[in-house]
Amino acid sequence: DQQVKQNSPSLSVQEGRISILNCDYTNSMFDYFLWYKKYPAEGPTFLISISSIKDKNEDGRFTVFLNKSAKHLSLHIVPSQPGDSAVYFCAARRGSQGNLIFGKGTKLSVKP
Amino acid sequence: EADIYQTPRYLVIGTGKKITLECSQTMGHDKMYWYQQDPGMELHLIHYSYGVNSTEKGDLSSESTVSRIRTEHFPLTLESARPSHTSQYLCASSLAQFNEKLFFGSGTQLSVL
Repeated sequence: DQQVKQNSPSLSVQEGRISILNCDYTNSMFDYFLWYKKYPAEGPTFLISISSIKDKNEDGRFTVFLNKSAKHLSLHIVPSQPGDSAVYFCAARRGSQGNLIFGKGTKLSVKP
Repeated sequence: EADIYQTPRYLVIGTGKKITLECSQTMGHDKMYWYQQDPGMELHLIHYSYGVNSTEKGDLSSESTVSRIRTEHFPLTLESARPSHTSQYLCASSLAQFNEKLFFGSGTQLSVL
C-alpha cells in the first residue's frame, strides 16, 4: 500500500511559468518531508525539505507547501527553467530515526 | 558535491551468475542504504546500515545480501542472479543525525538475461 503518492506521472510547463508538483501521503505519523530531483542516469539529489511543524519553506526558486489536514504537499518552482527538467520524487520520514519512503516521481519537462 | 561512488554503472549478466555491486563514500557517513528502483516506480529500500558490522533489511524483501566491514564501503551481493533482479540499484549515505538528507550515488543498472 503506497504511503506516499505522486498521482501525476508527468508535467509539461513553459519556460518562465510556474511548475507545481503535488504529493499526497496517508500516514499521519510522518514528521518530515523532502523533495529529491533526479536526472537520467544519475542518482537523486536533495532539493528542499519541510518539517511537519511548518507549512511553508522557501529556497530560491523552490517553495514547498505542507497542508497537514489534507495530508498534501506541493513543490512550486518559479520561474521554471529548461534545466529543471527532471524527475521529482516526494519522500516522507516517520520519526527521527525513520527511513525515507518515496513516491513514484513526477517527470517535469520545461519547454523553452 | 556528494562523494559516493558506485561501480559498475551498467552490468549485463547471465542467469545464475554471482554479482557484487560496489558502493563507497568518502564523507565519513555512518548510515548507508541500498535502494532498488524500476522505471516509473518508487525507490524501495532493500538494505541499510547504521555503521560498521551493522546491516538491516529494508521495507522491500530482497534476495541480495550486504556487508559493512568498513565505514566507507557497503557492497551488495546477489549469489545467483535472475531476470527478476533486473533493476536500477542506488546506494546512498547520510550522517546518522541527519538521516533524511541522503546523498546518492549514480546507480548501477543491472540487466539479467
